[in-house]
Amino acid sequence: GENVEQHPSTLSVQEGDSAVIKCTYSDSASNYFPWYKQELGKGPQLIIDIRSNVGEKKDQRIAVTLNKTAKHFSLHITETQPEDSAVYFCAASTLYKVIFGPGTSLSVIP
Amino acid sequence: GAVVSQHPSWVICKSGTSVKIECRSLDFQATTMFWYRQFPKQSLMLMATSNEGSKATYEQGVEKDKFLINHASLTLSTLTVTSAHPEDSSFYICSAFRTANQPQHFGDGTRLSIL
Repeated sequence: GENVEQHPSTLSVQEGDSAVIKCTYSDSASNYFPWYKQELGKGPQLIIDIRSNVGEKKDQRIAVTLNKTAKHFSLHITETQPEDSAVYFCAASTLYKVIFGPGTSLSVIP
Repeated sequence: GAVVSQHPSWVICKSGTSVKIECRSLDFQATTMFWYRQFPKQSLMLMATSNEGSKATYEQGVEKDKFLINHASLTLSTLTVTSAHPEDSSFYICSAFRTANQPQHFGDGTRLSIL
């Protein structure tokens, strides 16, 4: 069936460095790709999303890239801060179905 | 922006009790809501899709008689864990979106602990 792979599962970076999380998806019908940040004990919060007709999107320190041919998409966080520490989930979505990746636990070391 | 409210945030109860969790969309009407279960350090597992005015659609392996879902209005869906047992202890999260293929907005989850 459809699935979303996400790497790495854990990531530690020094404050100020960049962090990159990569995802691949299997369902070629997927056309919407949101990224969520989940802090401990809370629900996931949407941080950025991209649609299949766009190759890149940026919002301040966060950017997402999409390679629809290769079925790859990535999250880039620049100038990381301790408050960026959380679990990040990528997702691939068709009209009504959303498949989440397994998550990446990001730790930003002060 | 859109907000989804989930209540209660934490519940502890005895084995055999039924527990109801509410999910509300605060500033938009949600014809579809989703219920997820999340185990520690794992991803979200979709349990069921809740459709306003009709029966919920359950994912394979989810017991519909154990997890009762009601979506009686465009702003409220409820999940009732019937005759809860320790193995039902988990983090339950709901989500909603205005229309298909739009961002899902998540509630803050309910930590359920069955003693």
